[in-house]
Amino acid sequence: DIQMTQSPSSLSASVGDRVTITCRASQSITSFLNWYQQKPGKAPKLLIYAASSLQSGVPSRFSGTGSGTDFTLTISSLQPEDSATYYCQQSYNTRYTFGQGTKLEIK
Amino acid sequence: EVQLVESGGGLIQPGGSLRLSCAASGFTVSGDYMSWVRQAPGKGLEWVSVIYSSATTYYADSLKGRFTISRDDSKNTVYLQMNSLRAEDTAVYYCARGYSSTLADYFDYWGQGTLVTVSS
Repeated sequence: DIQMTQSPSSLSASVGDRVTITCRASQSITSFLNWYQQKPGKAPKLLIYAASSLQSGVPSRFSGTGSGTDFTLTISSLQPEDSATYYCQQSYNTRYTFGQGTKLEIK
Repeated sequence: EVQLVESGGGLIQPGGSLRLSCAASGFTVSGDYMSWVRQAPGKGLEWVSVIYSSATTYYADSLKGRFTISRDDSKNTVYLQMNSLRAEDTAVYYCARGYSSTLADYFDYWGQGTLVTVSS
């Protein structure tokens, strides 16, 4: 199976900060990398697909980059409602593995 | 409007069986693909299984053949049959709709989840 490793596991930032979360795959997954946001007690929500494509309705402060094995999710100007856990997921093969998650807290 | 509604969760004893359902509306489950993803209490997301439009299925290696995914196109519903349940199967189980193209493959809609608790 392809292993997905996110860093950091948690972070705390202030409103207006630029925040970056990284995700590394154990082998090349080209651009088959998705990012999801999950708030407590809720289902995950798709933010970014194919490494850099913004899902419809998602604010433009979210962006994704990367290809091969290294990817990043960036929030350009952190908002209070962005407090959540973020997961990367590979869809390169049929075992759709997720990263372990990054919990983002607002200071 | 796309909707996914899971049901069938509950408290079950170790070794028991349970069948989860995911009723879909606003699209057909025989379209692209459907998956189950679970989340143990306080833990991250774990992919469980997928069924493609061709009816081809795949499972997480950790399940060791205990789970079976299926669908009933006439009911527009996807199922997850879970056998020989263990305490470590305790989780919220989500169904998700998958979209696939040559350049992208992702879960675009998710249900609200159903809780399965395996305990004596």
